[in-house]
Amino acid sequence: AQSVTQPDIHITVSEGASLELRCNYSYGATPYLFWYVQSPGQGLQLLLKYFSGDTLVQGIKGFEAEFKRSQSSFNLRKPSVHWSDAAEYFCAVGARNQGGKLIFGQGTELSVKP
Amino acid sequence: EPEVTQTPSHQVTQMGQEVILRCVPISNHLYFYWYRQILGQKVEFLVSFYNNEISEKSEIFDDQFSVERPDGSNFTLKIRSTKLEDSAMYFCASQTGLGYEQYFGPGTRLTVT
Repeated sequence: AQSVTQPDIHITVSEGASLELRCNYSYGATPYLFWYVQSPGQGLQLLLKYFSGDTLVQGIKGFEAEFKRSQSSFNLRKPSVHWSDAAEYFCAVGARNQGGKLIFGQGTELSVKP
Repeated sequence: EPEVTQTPSHQVTQMGQEVILRCVPISNHLYFYWYRQILGQKVEFLVSFYNNEISEKSEIFDDQFSVERPDGSNFTLKIRSTKLEDSAMYFCASQTGLGYEQYFGPGTRLTVT
């Protein structure tokens, strides 16, 4: 079955520290991979996406993610976290031959300590 | 920058009532979606829509749900007889083509009492 797992429900990091949010997927087809961010009461904003090519992708707000096919992972990273990064982060997968629907992980809530 | 809009931002309704959630996708997009997020849970796919017909629906999308693109700009989700468990945030999304990113609206919070 198709699924996305974000093992960490809640992560707290200090401002200025590095961040890595984990995402593992199980998907039969070649996946497209996405990271979305959701601030409280807001919609989903795309941070970055992987379709093909270079497995290290850069996104907005200084985020990057690396696709590792052998590990079925697409972890999100940021070298130095800012207080404004506190939000909920969702990993999602989709595939061209699946009608476009996205399957989301449970989300990881990020808190940032001063 | 073009964006997906949704109205209303919050809808309160009584159990058994019909509700219509409205979305205006980005104008040159061809694929449209509805997702929902029950409080504290993950975002779930409901339905996709292309070329004026449903292309895929989840098991959540039963006979109580319907979608329509009545005038070439709006995209609506109707729930005929709401249940308490329909309380959720409903997100509309649109996409230029398959394999491209989906742009999400800000959501409509539906509260069924």
